[in-house]
Amino acid sequence: GAGVSQTPSNKVTEKGKYVELRCDPISGHTALYWYRQSLGQGPEFLIYFQGTGAADDSGLPNDRFFAVRPEGSVSTLKIQRTERGDSAVYLCASSPLGLQNTGELFFGEGSRLTVL
Amino acid sequence: AQRVTQPEKLLSVFKGAPVELKCNYSYSGSPELFWYVQYSRQRLQLLLRHISRESIKGFTADLNKGETSFHLKKPFAQEEDSAMYYCALRISNYQLIWGAGTKLIIKP
Repeated sequence: GAGVSQTPSNKVTEKGKYVELRCDPISGHTALYWYRQSLGQGPEFLIYFQGTGAADDSGLPNDRFFAVRPEGSVSTLKIQRTERGDSAVYLCASSPLGLQNTGELFFGEGSRLTVL
Repeated sequence: AQRVTQPEKLLSVFKGAPVELKCNYSYSGSPELFWYVQYSRQRLQLLLRHISRESIKGFTADLNKGETSFHLKKPFAQEEDSAMYYCALRISNYQLIWGAGTKLIIKP
């Protein structure tokens, strides 16, 4: 089937606004990851879901960031009171389980967030 | 500290020349390393992993624990190899640490 789908592909917002980024993983993949990639950097881990629960959210930079995956499939990354420093590409990835088998992550094309 | 370093932000070589993309890591455990690639206007995807000891698209990478390196090599570069390359280190069942990436440009 289709790969990991992320929407929107581009989002421009004003400082202080609320933003939601959506990720639809590959069907059957129980593991879902959010990463943030700033210009000139590699992906930076934000949060990992195994099923519906956030198994590790230690990478979320502060309490303005929150993510959910209520039915164990689609996930939404929510950013409150956006700041200019939040501007980045937000990548979602999924895998059948965790990394322990193949170590392969399947990435979406990313959502580019620009905060003016 | 756990870290992945890719010292070159940009590497430019002529078609047919050998390519080596450098990756060094710092990790106290048993390392498991990967190379991911992102071609223009495509998504990030796995190129190869060290445990498979495989050659993908002519690329190979050998884990050198003594030098804590996992350099990516190809004897004869092709234009379609132009892309961003990221080295990643697995530190848990779900976490990868990533290098900053190297942009490879193959000149005709």
